Amino acid sequence: NAGVTQTPKFRVLKTGQSMTLLCAQDMNHEYMYWYRQDPGMGLRLIHYSVGEGTTAKGEVPDGYNVSRLKKQNFLLGLESAAPSQTSVYFCASGQGEQETQYFGPGTRLLVL
Amino acid sequence: GQNIDQPTEMTATEGAIVQINCTYQTSGFNGLFWYQQHAGEAPTFLSYNVLDGLEEKGRFSSFLSRSKGYSYLLLKELQMKDSASYLCAVMDSNYQLIWGAGTKLIIKP
Repeated sequence: NAGVTQTPKFRVLKTGQSMTLLCAQDMNHEYMYWYRQDPGMGLRLIHYSVGEGTTAKGEVPDGYNVSRLKKQNFLLGLESAAPSQTSVYFCASGQGEQETQYFGPGTRLLVL
Repeated sequence: GQNIDQPTEMTATEGAIVQINCTYQTSGFNGLFWYQQHAGEAPTFLSYNVLDGLEEKGRFSSFLSRSKGYSYLLLKELQMKDSASYLCAVMDSNYQLIWGAGTKLIIKP
C-alpha cells in the first residue's frame, strides 16, 4: 500500500497562474482533507470531503477550489495564484470524522 | 477563539526523558492527537486521548486532563532519531482538527 500520495512534490508558479494539486489514497478512506502549513503556525484546514462527490470549506478556503470525483482522489485547485499562497500543502485521509488522519508527503509551492 | 499552545522549541539529551506540554481552548472537545513531523516530511500519528489519563505506547506516553485543557507527551530513553517537531491537535465540536504550531525537539548527544 502506498498510503497517501501527492503530486507534484514541488512547484514554482508566477502570480496569476493556475495549477492543480493531486492527492490519492489507497486505504479506502471516506474522509479526505487539504491543509496548508506555514512557518510558525499550525496546520490550517483549507477544504475537506466526507465522501465521493462531497466537499466542504475549512478554515482558509478563499482562493482554492476542490473536487472529489472519485473516492480515492482529492484535487486542490488554485485559480489565480498569489504570493500569499506560498506554502507547503498536505493532503490527509481518514476512515471517519473522529478517526486518525494519515498524511501525504506534501507539495511545496512557491508563488513569485 | 480557538487556541492551542505548546513551546516553540525544547532541547534534551540522548537517553534522557522529555515532557512536551500542550494547553488548549477550543469550542468542544472530541479528542486530542499528537503527531511527529521530521523536517521536510509529513506528520505521522503518535497518540490519541479522549478520556482523562495516561496512554502508554512504548517509549512514548500521552496524558490528558480535560478539566484543565492540558495534555503532555512524554518521551523516554531519547534517541537522536527523536529530533523532530511534535504537533498537538484537538478535535473540536465540528470534528475538525485545530493544530498547535508544534514543538521543535532538539536531541544532543
